[in-house]
Amino acid sequence: AQTVTQSQPEMSVQEAETVTLSCTYDTSENNYYLFWYKQPPSRQMILVIRQEAYKQQNATENRFSVNFQKAAKSFSLKISDSQLGDTAMYFCAYLNSGGSNYKLTFGKGTLLTVNP
Amino acid sequence: GAGVSQSPSNKVTEKGKDVELRCDPISGHTALYWYRQSLGQGLEFLIYFQGNSAPDKSGLPSDRFSAERTGGSVSTLTIQRTQQEDSAVYLCASSLELGLHSYEQYFGPGTRLTVT
Repeated sequence: AQTVTQSQPEMSVQEAETVTLSCTYDTSENNYYLFWYKQPPSRQMILVIRQEAYKQQNATENRFSVNFQKAAKSFSLKISDSQLGDTAMYFCAYLNSGGSNYKLTFGKGTLLTVNP
Repeated sequence: GAGVSQSPSNKVTEKGKDVELRCDPISGHTALYWYRQSLGQGLEFLIYFQGNSAPDKSGLPSDRFSAERTGGSVSTLTIQRTQQEDSAVYLCASSLELGLHSYEQYFGPGTRLTVT
């Protein structure tokens, strides 16, 4: 079974600084996607960024970028120029795209607080 | 267009009562997922639908849980004889047809269920 591990339950960063959230996963599959979701206090899960396992190039979305190390099964999220609105729970998630059920397997989450 | 909607937003019920949670997916999304988010277990997959059929019910925690989807749209998650351990946030997500596009799942705001 696939597992996703986020080893940092909580992190904090000063506004405008850079922070990196860690995620590791375990799978024997070759075809999969990885995602970072953000969940602010409103509970709405928002997709931040995704990475296809077959792509070597790291995904970027504005201030958000990932460091995808396939051999190490590592998928960290870097947030640059942190903003107060980035304060939220961040979940790393795995999806096996080679199967028939595209359910997401989530890590336990990292609570990020951006301080003014 | 409108996103995924869920109702009610919050539900308080007495132990032993039945509850129904509703999910309206994004129009045109054929895949629909239910997840449960609790403090102790994190985010767990419950069930998914492709159209009106549910090929994978493996995440349902007990036979007190059931779900249906009608018209390839609205889904209802029913919990019978609720127990205190059922207290959680129930999240619904939808995505375009399985196997196509980017496998992105779009989440609703969730229903917070409290069993007293």
